[in-house]
Amino acid sequence: IQLTQSPSFLSASVGDRVTITCRASQGINTYLAWYHQKPGKAPSLLIYAASSLHNGVSSRFSASGSATEFTLKISNLQPEDAGSYYCQQTKSFPLTFGGGTKVEIK
Amino acid sequence: QITLKESGPALVKPTQTLTLTCTFSGFSVSTTGAAVAWLRQPPGESLQWLAIVYWNDDKRYTPSLRNRITITKDTSRDQVVLTLTNADPVDTGTYFCAHSGVSSHDFWGPGILVTVSS
Repeated sequence: IQLTQSPSFLSASVGDRVTITCRASQGINTYLAWYHQKPGKAPSLLIYAASSLHNGVSSRFSASGSATEFTLKISNLQPEDAGSYYCQQTKSFPLTFGGGTKVEIK
Repeated sequence: QITLKESGPALVKPTQTLTLTCTFSGFSVSTTGAAVAWLRQPPGESLQWLAIVYWNDDKRYTPSLRNRITITKDTSRDQVVLTLTNADPVDTGTYFCAHSGVSSHDFWGPGILVTVSS
């Protein structure tokens, strides 16, 4: 199952609201997770099951979608939100990731 | 508190076998529902899922590497080992192990950078 993320890069200011999209090549119900990766660090889980916030993750993050279309929204963008964001499908093996979206804070 | 850490060589030569160990704490891989996965990330690229082992010793592999990788668990040592045979420069990257729930990888190790070069 292929995942296509868009945009691949975005630049936004502190306080902005940004949206990242992930499209699956076939229906995956809500078997989708979102991760944030800061440079030189391991990814950290943000969202699982398409819309459930992982423990300890800021409520500024929200996500939705099902089947083939998914979105991750970050409200009130903060400097610590910089980095890359990846979606991952967990519907079937092999588990696959999107190409990533790099978020730059202006 | 769940923690994981990868260990192994930083440099391997082409055709050699790469063996990476994930040592974890805060859970037991023998507990029903537990699983540990290995993933990797070539420099500047996205993430690639490699393999997973479950509490019942069920295993899954990415098809592109199925004939080269093996994942095993050592319950007594709280470790999961990934073996990659016939290493190639394209295998260069950061390798991560992660505790895996039903629908995501919820805890990750810091990663280990492995370079395949002569």
